[in-house]
Amino acid sequence: EDKVVQSPLSLVVHEGDTVTLNCSYEVTNFRSLLWYKQEKKAPTFLFMLTSSGIEKKSGRLSSILDKKELFSILNITATQTGDSAIYLCAVDRQGAQKLVFGQGTRLTINP
Amino acid sequence: NAGVTQTPKFQVLKTGQSMTLQCAQDMNHEYMSWYRQDPGMGLRLIHYSVGAGITDQGEVPNGYNVSRSTTEDFPLRLLSAAPSQTSVYFCASSSITGELFFGEGSRLTVL
Repeated sequence: EDKVVQSPLSLVVHEGDTVTLNCSYEVTNFRSLLWYKQEKKAPTFLFMLTSSGIEKKSGRLSSILDKKELFSILNITATQTGDSAIYLCAVDRQGAQKLVFGQGTRLTINP
Repeated sequence: NAGVTQTPKFQVLKTGQSMTLQCAQDMNHEYMSWYRQDPGMGLRLIHYSVGAGITDQGEVPNGYNVSRSTTEDFPLRLLSAAPSQTSVYFCASSSITGELFFGEGSRLTVL
């Protein structure tokens, strides 16, 4: 059975800290891994990773994929209170539009 | 910039009642899907569609029906609501790249 596991499930840090969120997966016919940020409503897209070892970066956020060890990390540096959200990892599989999501990591940034 | 529009945003039902969650997208996406989000379980796929007239089951299809008569619309029907269907429902659409765009969600409570 296809599975995506995120850790930690919950994380509380102070503003300015750096955080690393983890996502491991076991799926058949892997195509890509996606990260989403969910604040109060709909998840919003952050990154799509398809190739191993290539870092995607957007401002203070960055992510990398390891296809050999079947995991990805999402890094956030110099965190701000606006980074407080649930971060979702999902894996897309070839041949079907069926994203498999992890449980999410709830990140809280305290001022 | 409508994107993916879901209605209603909130609904309370009694056990056994039926209802339809509406979803429409204006991005001409072929793929549309419905997810439910429950605490600690991430998003789980209910049904999806790869084009008008084509639908398929996801991970948790029982108790739900869908149809796709047009590219734009993908309604989700609950035929006989049960308390286990209390959840937040998200409709999403995507192009062939796999990046999902989500609606703002519909919070359903079944008493």
